[in-house]
Amino acid sequence: GQQLNQSPQSMFIQEGEDVSMNCTSSSIFNTWLWYKQDPGEGPVLLIALYKAGELTSNGRLTAQFGITRKDSFLNISASIPSDVGIYFCAGQVGFGNEKLTFGTGTRLTIIP
Amino acid sequence: DVKVTQSSRYLVKRTGEKVFLECVQDMDHENMFWYRQDPGLGLRLIYFSYDVKMKEKGDIPEGYSVSREKKERFSLILESASTNQTSMYLCASSHRGGTNEKLFFGSGTQLSVL
Repeated sequence: GQQLNQSPQSMFIQEGEDVSMNCTSSSIFNTWLWYKQDPGEGPVLLIALYKAGELTSNGRLTAQFGITRKDSFLNISASIPSDVGIYFCAGQVGFGNEKLTFGTGTRLTIIP
Repeated sequence: DVKVTQSSRYLVKRTGEKVFLECVQDMDHENMFWYRQDPGLGLRLIYFSYDVKMKEKGDIPEGYSVSREKKERFSLILESASTNQTSMYLCASSHRGGTNEKLFFGSGTQLSVL
């Protein structure tokens, strides 16, 4: 099956810095989702995007649905220690019961 | 609080053993999924089910089977475990319908096959 490529694979930042990561696909998706996995837990949905060009925020997190529908971006402003974890993008070609395709993940580490 | 519960957090098995990974959800969700998570590869779908007794292959079903006898329970079976099946296994569930494919995940089972 197809996979989504996430970049970067890992990030080491200092508390207070902004973070940017992206997800690219060779094919079009009609839904983009961003998940976060805390250490020792399963992923949890952060943001869902349904329309090309859409920009959606959830607190300090902002995600965008790329206009080509082949990419998506996630930004985190003013990072804090609890932002540590693995961030996954996921795409869905159709709607409803259509299965998701997950990205390779971006591991975020905050240096004290 | 809604929950997806995986029966074991850590499992160590020997090559050739039959392994059962159990998952139970209390949200009355129709859809249930099994993923494996490997560093650098992200989450890959093994099997999924949209209803009791239904199952569909995901992207990497080889070496696995599943069972869904009750709506709330979805089991992943490794018929003869091999070392390349050492991985983190994540179960997830979701409600059917709408455009919002929100998945609720369990905490995962880290399986080591020796």
